Amino acid sequence: QVQLVESGGGVVQPGRSLRLSCAASGFSFSISGMHWVRQSPGKGLEWVAIIGYDGRGKYYGDSVKGRFTISRDNSKNTLYLQMNSLGVDDTAVYYCATRGEKGNWFDSWGQGTLVTVSS
Amino acid sequence: IVMTQSPATLSVSPGDRATLSCRASHNVHNNLAWYQQKPGQAPRLLIFGASTRATGIPARFSGSGSGTEFTLTISSLQSEDFAVYYCQQYNNWPPLTFGQGTRLEIK
Repeated sequence: QVQLVESGGGVVQPGRSLRLSCAASGFSFSISGMHWVRQSPGKGLEWVAIIGYDGRGKYYGDSVKGRFTISRDNSKNTLYLQMNSLGVDDTAVYYCATRGEKGNWFDSWGQGTLVTVSS
Repeated sequence: IVMTQSPATLSVSPGDRATLSCRASHNVHNNLAWYQQKPGQAPRLLIFGASTRATGIPARFSGSGSGTEFTLTISSLQSEDFAVYYCQQYNNWPPLTFGQGTRLEIK
C-alpha cells in the first residue's frame, strides 16, 4: 500500500532554512505527481506546492513563492521541500501527498512533520 | 477561487444524516474533492470528481453538486465519522484551495 513518510521538521529560527523529505513506497513514485500541503496549529489546510512526475511542472502557493522549492529524486523515491527565509507564519505540520490520477486532488497523505519557526 | 463551507460546526446524533455544504466563488465544474480529518491524523480523501468515492470509503458517504454548490452527505452517522471535513477545488489553479472546514460533532 502507499506509504509516505515525512521527515526533517523541527524548531528553526526566523530567517533560517530547513529541508523536508518525504520517502515514498508502495506505488510508482516516478510516474506520480506530488504535493506539499501544510496546516498551521489549530487551523485549516493550505496547499504549498506541486511537482510533476518528471520534476517539471512546479507551482507554488503565493505565501511561499520565491522562498520554497519543491524537488524530487526518482532514483531515491523521495520528495523534498527546501524552505528558505522562514517566518513564524510558516509554523505548521507539513504533509506530502500524491496527486490524484486524473486531477489535482490529494490522494494519499503522509503523517506529516511539524515545523516550528521561533526565536 | 474561494471555497466557503457551512456550517462551521454541525451537531448530529449517531445514526442520523449529516449534510455538509461547500460553495465555490466561481464555477469549478465537478472538480471538487472532500477530505476527512480526525484529531492528530492526516486528512483522508473521501470523494473526488464531486461524487466519486475514493477506494475503501463506505457507501454512507456521498457527494453531489457541480458548478458552485456542493454537498457531502453522510447517511447514517457512525461514531468514527465525527471529525473535521474539508472541501477542495482543483479546477482553477494555482492555487489549489480548501474550504475552512466543517467540524462534525456528536449531539
